[in-house]
Amino acid sequence: EAQVTQNPRYLITVTGKKLTVTCSQNMNHEYMSWYRQDPGLGLRQIYYSMNVEVTDKGDVPEGYKVSRKEKRNFPLILESPSPNQTSLYFCASSSSGGRNTEAFFGQGTRLTVV
Amino acid sequence: GNSVTQMEGPVTLSEEAFLTINCTYTATGYPSLFWYVQYPGEGLQLLLKATKADDKGSNKGFEATYRKETTSFHLEKGSVQVSDSAVYFCALPGGSGGSNYKLTFGKGTLLTVNP
Repeated sequence: EAQVTQNPRYLITVTGKKLTVTCSQNMNHEYMSWYRQDPGLGLRQIYYSMNVEVTDKGDVPEGYKVSRKEKRNFPLILESPSPNQTSLYFCASSSSGGRNTEAFFGQGTRLTVV
Repeated sequence: GNSVTQMEGPVTLSEEAFLTINCTYTATGYPSLFWYVQYPGEGLQLLLKATKADDKGSNKGFEATYRKETTSFHLEKGSVQVSDSAVYFCALPGGSGGSNYKLTFGKGTLLTVNP
């Protein structure tokens, strides 16, 4: 089954404790992205990757890092989480940058930073 | 850059009622337009899309028509069901040249359908 898998689904952590949210897709997609979803703000892109070792900032990259060492994986790293990073995070992938291409989303990771 | 303005809701309807969720956009050129749906506890999934002016996307009884003149892509369904309760997002590609490595989303509309 074609899918994007994120882990964990839920995470509560303390300020300053480094964490990683994993994302893996089994569709051999080139493009992957991270979004955060906040009430009243919709979804905003954090980082994206167009291929292995190619990443770039989205609209709200501050406080986040990513890496793309393998095509299927695109982890999101919070080196020193802060309470304003409490949010619902989604990983997405698509086969290309074409204008008609559907994006596939993971089930989300609800992060709480206390 | 590209942007989307979407009716925010929440919207509460009775089963079998008619649904309209308004979406207008600002974009360079003529991008593809999408509606995504997020069911409770799940990620977003594509509901329908339209790739050029006057195209009608449809799926699961939902429809939306790409209106270039009014820069709109309103979502409609003639008879909603309880199972349609979800958050609906209008979206368009936000990258340069209309590429899809970024999607720009509306803020989402929460739909609740009561039996």
